[in-house]
Amino acid sequence: NAGVTQTPKFQVLKTGQSMTLQCAQDMNHEYMSWYRQDPGMGLRLIHYSVGAGITDQGEVPNGYNVSRSTTEDFPLRLLSAAPSQTSVYFCASSRTGATEAFFGQGTRLTVV
Amino acid sequence: GQNIDQPTEMTATEGAIVQINCTYQTSGFNGLFWYQQHAGEAPTFLSYNVLDGLEEKGRFSSFLSRSKGYSYLLLKELQMKDSASYLCAVRDGTNAGKSTFGDGTTLTVKP
Repeated sequence: NAGVTQTPKFQVLKTGQSMTLQCAQDMNHEYMSWYRQDPGMGLRLIHYSVGAGITDQGEVPNGYNVSRSTTEDFPLRLLSAAPSQTSVYFCASSRTGATEAFFGQGTRLTVV
Repeated sequence: GQNIDQPTEMTATEGAIVQINCTYQTSGFNGLFWYQQHAGEAPTFLSYNVLDGLEEKGRFSSFLSRSKGYSYLLLKELQMKDSASYLCAVRDGTNAGKSTFGDGTTLTVKP
């Protein structure tokens, strides 16, 4: 019963590097989202998806790309890492927009 | 857009009752979530309100007034393990997959 799995758990990048944060869920949920959480703050929505092949921007999409080729996977790509992207990233999934979201354990990203 | 306000910090005593408020101003509304987040962990779901009134779930209750743009989370019989951040999130009225979170309220329960 894995739920939502994020990899890696920790990552250090140099400014300008690119990388992909992986997110997979095994609950057959249609809705998936990526959030970032900075110290002492709530979650800010980066991108979200309401089904395979459908993605949309959230509050803070700049510098990030997503795709949703399958129901299970929703990877987040950092195109050219910047120190401002140092944060904790959470992936979440839900059956619908009106049901509880299940979160992955987070990826702690540091950009130096 | 959405604007969500919660107190930054609250302190309460073990065994007591605490109420955490959340006010919102939104361009559209389709429900309000409460999540609990322990330090260094992922958020976990507590409640969802879409209609006015009180939803009770064990020691936790959540209230919504859509006309006032107001919700609260009520925690009874506080335990030390309730020390955590409590996040209020408003579901967008037009984009079904979109929820906006407040900055959270950090609750400290003291013996």
